[in-house]
Amino acid sequence: NAGVTQTPKFQVLKTGQSMTLQCAQDMNHEYMSWYRQDPGMGLRLIHYSVGAGITDQGEVPNGYNVSRSTTEDFPLRLLSAAPSQTSVYFCASSSGTSYSYNEQFFGPGTRLTVL
Amino acid sequence: SQQGEEDPQALSIQEGENATMNCSYKTSINNLQWYRQNSGRGLVHLILIRSNEREKHSGRLRVTLDTSKKSSSLLITASRAADTASYFCATPAYNQGGKLIFGQGTELSVKP
Repeated sequence: NAGVTQTPKFQVLKTGQSMTLQCAQDMNHEYMSWYRQDPGMGLRLIHYSVGAGITDQGEVPNGYNVSRSTTEDFPLRLLSAAPSQTSVYFCASSSGTSYSYNEQFFGPGTRLTVL
Repeated sequence: SQQGEEDPQALSIQEGENATMNCSYKTSINNLQWYRQNSGRGLVHLILIRSNEREKHSGRLRVTLDTSKKSSSLLITASRAADTASYFCATPAYNQGGKLIFGQGTELSVKP
């Protein structure tokens, strides 16, 4: 199994550009999520999904869209990039969808710079 | 607001010494998890301790949980240079599916 994969690994955008960060998992996990990691801020949840067709907002959803058309894929869209979105983005998945939670598996990350 | 707060923010020790990191949280939890992140990499799950457990071991790792104090600690015994990484605690958000809330992490440096 490849686990959780993310593409691209690095990306540079200009302010106002849009792009999609790809995330896929081959573990048949129902739960998937996107985090951003900034120095001194830890990981902050952007959006998450508890199954195909179901998404919800996390702590910092503004400026980002998600969709979940299949169990495997959970793309993150930046609608109009801003310098404040410069960060490292991590996708994660888990088999747990209830309050009794299981471990999350993380992808390798996408380092995004917005000029 | 952060659910988990790690302490210390940074820790530097010599190889062979033990490293202890602490985590405090605010609300009732079902379980608490510890993750490791090597520089430039994604997070890797280390250990999960449930609210009805007080201590759990995995190799050189020992995790304790005190629900009355809303705190947990991660002990790495006989540390190695390869243990150099950031360590995060995480707790599930109540009744919000699989949502995890992470602390800011402890940056551990183990010098050979």
